[in-house]
Amino acid sequence: QEKVQQSPESLIVPEGAMSSLNCTFSNSASQSIWWYQQHPGKGPEALISIFSNGNKKEGRLTVYLNRASLHVSLHIRDSQPSDSAVYLCAVRGSSGSWQLIFGSGTQLTVMP
Amino acid sequence: DTTVKQNPRYKLARVGKPVNLICSQTMNHDTMYWYQKKPNQAPKLLLFYYDKILNREADTFEKFQSSRPNNSFCSLYIGSAGLEYSAMYLCASSSRTGGVYAEQFFGPGTRLTVL
Repeated sequence: QEKVQQSPESLIVPEGAMSSLNCTFSNSASQSIWWYQQHPGKGPEALISIFSNGNKKEGRLTVYLNRASLHVSLHIRDSQPSDSAVYLCAVRGSSGSWQLIFGSGTQLTVMP
Repeated sequence: DTTVKQNPRYKLARVGKPVNLICSQTMNHDTMYWYQKKPNQAPKLLLFYYDKILNREADTFEKFQSSRPNNSFCSLYIGSAGLEYSAMYLCASSSRTGGVYAEQFFGPGTRLTVL
């Protein structure tokens, strides 16, 4: 069974700072990796996904994937109080598997 | 509209009593999922429907039932609730058209408390 670990468990940053979240997974053959954002009282919402080694940038978000080290990171530039939420890393398993395996999340708090 | 709806949002149940949770989506997605999430833990897949085919995880096989009367609706049924069932239950849907790259869309969840 694939495992997904996230760090840190919680992160507090001042407004305008860079937020950096980490995720490690156990299967280098994982097809796709997703970052979800979950605000209190709401369901997880997909923020950004990455399928190939390297980086992907969307607005203030940048994701880096290194399959050799089984590591993916999410960086939020110019963090805002509205970015305060739980961030979940999810990995879709190897070929033929439809299951998303989630990490337990990072609680991000952006202080005004 | 990328909305997944869940009812009820909060559910209080007594130990030993049945619980039925409802999920609906209007995106015509062929696959619907149910996850269980407990505080400080990762969401755990319980089961999913692809069209009318139900797939249940091995370790939850006998604890949860589900039905999908049509493409838009899916239920999660607990025959006899125990204290360990207290959790947030998340419904999600996706289309297999995107293959392993397809996004899963989540509902707001139902918070179940068993007393």
